[in-house]
Amino acid sequence: GDSVTQMEGPVTLSEEAFLTINCTYTATGYPSLFWYVQYPGEGLQLLLKATKADDKGSNKGFEATYRKETTSFHLEKGSVQVSDSAVYFCALSSSGGSYIPTFGRGTSLIVHP
Amino acid sequence: DTGVSQDPRHKITKRGQNVTFRCDPISEHNRLYWYRQTLGQGPEFLTYFQNEAQLEKSRLLSDRFSAERPKGSFSTLEIQRTEQGDSAMYLCASSLLDTEAFFGQGTRLTVV
Repeated sequence: GDSVTQMEGPVTLSEEAFLTINCTYTATGYPSLFWYVQYPGEGLQLLLKATKADDKGSNKGFEATYRKETTSFHLEKGSVQVSDSAVYFCALSSSGGSYIPTFGRGTSLIVHP
Repeated sequence: DTGVSQDPRHKITKRGQNVTFRCDPISEHNRLYWYRQTLGQGPEFLTYFQNEAQLEKSRLLSDRFSAERPKGSFSTLEIQRTEQGDSAMYLCASSLLDTEAFFGQGTRLTVV
């Protein structure tokens, strides 16, 4: 079945540092890939998405590229801010999984001033 | 559209009581999902509806849990005879068939 594996956190960075959060996946068919962000006590917000191989999703300075050959969708940001502190979830949906979104365990990001 | 809304945001109940949560999806979305999230974990799928039909239920969904989506609009999730292990955040999301899901703010359940 579909599954998502994320690097364990927390990831602790200083403001303006470079961010990478790794995500790899297993899926039947050709999945769509997503990154969601969750702030304390809140639901999940869609951050970015990519629907086919080599697509790059981007939003608010975050980027991720759909790499079919390595089954990866790593999240990057060139310069993080304190306000980026949150939990980030990688997710996929595929025809083989009835398009039900499947999530990784999440990676906590803490950014210090 | 104001997005997906869930009610209540917080619920504290005594063990053995029944609770019911409501979710109002984005109006044009035909899919509605329920997930459960515990501390430090990602959302775990419970069940989903396509229009008014409940098409799949996870093995996580014990027989104390029931969900409905009458007329393909809002949905309710009921937990009967609550247990302390039911304490979690219950998330609702909606989508069109094969597009991204949009989440509500969740209902945090505490069973004491």
